[in-house]
Amino acid sequence: DIQMTQSPSSLSASVGDRVTITCQASQDIGIDLNWYQQKSGKAPNLLINDASNLETGVPSRFSGRGSGTDFTFTISSLQPEDIATYYCQQYENLPYTFGQGTKLEIK
Amino acid sequence: EVQLVESGGGLVQPGGSLRLSCAASGFTFSSYEMNWVRQAPGKGLEWVSYISRSGSRISYADSVKGRFTISRDNAKNSLYLQINSVRAEDTAVYYCVRDGAHWGQGTLVTVSS
Repeated sequence: DIQMTQSPSSLSASVGDRVTITCQASQDIGIDLNWYQQKSGKAPNLLINDASNLETGVPSRFSGRGSGTDFTFTISSLQPEDIATYYCQQYENLPYTFGQGTKLEIK
Repeated sequence: EVQLVESGGGLVQPGGSLRLSCAASGFTFSSYEMNWVRQAPGKGLEWVSYISRSGSRISYADSVKGRFTISRDNAKNSLYLQINSVRAEDTAVYYCVRDGAHWGQGTLVTVSS
């Protein structure tokens, strides 16, 4: 099985800050990576697919990059509504494993 | 509009069984692979199971293999998850998911005596 190591597990930042989350796969997954945002009590919302492709309607302050085993997710200017937990997920191979999640808080 | 509506959750005793359902609408259900994902209270997301469009290919997480059975009825636009021999660690919200972009609201399964 492919292991996804996501870091940090939590992050506190100020409004306007640039925030970066990393996700490392235990083997090459190409670009078969999703990034999700999950707000409290809600189902996850897909923000980025194929490692860097922004879903329709997702603000441009969100971005993703990477391929192979190393991936990053960035919020260029943190907004109060971005408070959530973020997850990566690989879909190169079954089982479609998730990272452990990054809980983002406002400082 | 794509809609996925789960049902069938509830309180079940350890060792018991229940069947989750997911009613799909707003798209051609038979054209899409489907998944179940769960989330224990206060924990992260855990992928549980996958089924191909025809149902011919199925996969499970090791944590549920041998106890859970995924199935689908394309004529009824429905996805199912049969959960047997439930354990406390199966307590979670179970989501029906289509290609990552579409999630149901989830159904809560609570395992307790």
